[in-house]
Amino acid sequence: GENVEQHPSTLSVQEGDSAVIKCTYSDSASNYFPWYKQELGKGPQLIIDIRSNVGEKKDQRIAVTLNKTAKHFSLHITETQPEDSAVYFCAARRGNEKLTFGTGTRLTIIP
Amino acid sequence: DADVTQTPRNRITKTGKRIMLECSQTKGHDRMYWYRQDPGLGLRLIYYSFDVKDINKGEISDGYSVSRQAQAKFSLSLESAIPNQTALYFCATSGTELVNNEQFFGPGTRLTVL
Repeated sequence: GENVEQHPSTLSVQEGDSAVIKCTYSDSASNYFPWYKQELGKGPQLIIDIRSNVGEKKDQRIAVTLNKTAKHFSLHITETQPEDSAVYFCAARRGNEKLTFGTGTRLTIIP
Repeated sequence: DADVTQTPRNRITKTGKRIMLECSQTKGHDRMYWYRQDPGLGLRLIYYSFDVKDINKGEISDGYSVSRQAQAKFSLSLESAIPNQTALYFCATSGTELVNNEQFFGPGTRLTVL
């Protein structure tokens, strides 16, 4: 089955700087890669996703890049703000099967 | 009102007790999931159901059972709780479309087994 590795497990950045979280996946047939944000005391919520037919997707301050050859994808957050502090999960899925999640990254924005 | 609700939100129980966690959704989704979250281990899938008559084991199903009572309801049971089942449990739902198939999570149930 699919295996998703996520790094780093914790990340601290100064407010205003950029943050990058990286994930690798094992199943070359995976074609959907979402990112979820989990705020304290809440369930994870989808923030951005990318499909295998594109290499990059942006939504305001967040972007995701995908390298199918290397089987890795990354989340980029620019101009970080205190409200970006949360746990972030990457995931991968083949077709319409179930998602496989990474182990999460705790992002802390330092004011 | 929340689309995915979980009850209870917090539960403290003793070793050997039977516990049921309940999940309800108003999104009209066919697919429902139960995950367990532990520090450093991410979200691990316990059981999932792609429709009312479908139940599948996830990666950590031992010690757990589920019941899909209706499209909107999916319950997780711990037949005889043990301390290493202390964790945060999440229910989630999703549609069946190949695109726009976002997974929606409930607020979680914090379970402590003494």
